[in-house]
Amino acid sequence: EAQVTQNPRYLITVTGKKLTVTCSQNMNHEYMSWYRQDPGLGLRQIYYSMNVEVTDKGDVPEGYKVSRKEKRNFPLILESPSPNQTSLYFCASSFQRSQLARSYNEQFFGPGTRLTVL
Amino acid sequence: GENVEQHPSTLSVQEGDSAVIKCTYSDSASNYFPWYKQELGKRPQLIIDIRSNVGEKKDQRIAVTLNKTAKHFSLHITETQPEDSAVYFCAASFRGYQKVTFGTGTKLQVIP
Repeated sequence: EAQVTQNPRYLITVTGKKLTVTCSQNMNHEYMSWYRQDPGLGLRQIYYSMNVEVTDKGDVPEGYKVSRKEKRNFPLILESPSPNQTSLYFCASSFQRSQLARSYNEQFFGPGTRLTVL
Repeated sequence: GENVEQHPSTLSVQEGDSAVIKCTYSDSASNYFPWYKQELGKRPQLIIDIRSNVGEKKDQRIAVTLNKTAKHFSLHITETQPEDSAVYFCAASFRGYQKVTFGTGTKLQVIP
């Protein structure tokens, strides 16, 4: 089954304790992204990756790191989490289709990771 | 950077009526505009998208229109049904379609 998986789904941690949220896709997509979702703010892109070893900042990259060593994986690292990083995090993957396809660049989202930093 | 504004933030319609959600963007370089639907407790899913070389696109009961000159695009849902109740997000992107800026979302409630 084609899917994007994230782990863990729920995490409660304390300020300053390094954590990693994993993201994996089995669709051979070139592109992957991380978003955070906060009430009233919608989805905000943290980082995105165009391919292996190619990453770039989104709109809210401060306090986060990413790596893309393999095409299927795109982990999100919080080296020193703070309470303002309490949020719902989504990973997404996509590839560019031809102009004739129903959608040009559909992003497939993972199930989300709810993170609470105390 | 890009800024996407979305209105209204909440919208209630009677079943069978139409719903319209509007978005504006700031960066004229943006050339791809998807719309995502997020049901309660679930992940966002693409419902329709449009590229900057197209003015309108339809898919059954949903349609999207784009006005490049005014930098705004809209989602139209006709004959609304209770299962259309969800949060809808517009987005704009450029640079190979991977740097994506979302609107703040519209919570649509369809009243049976």
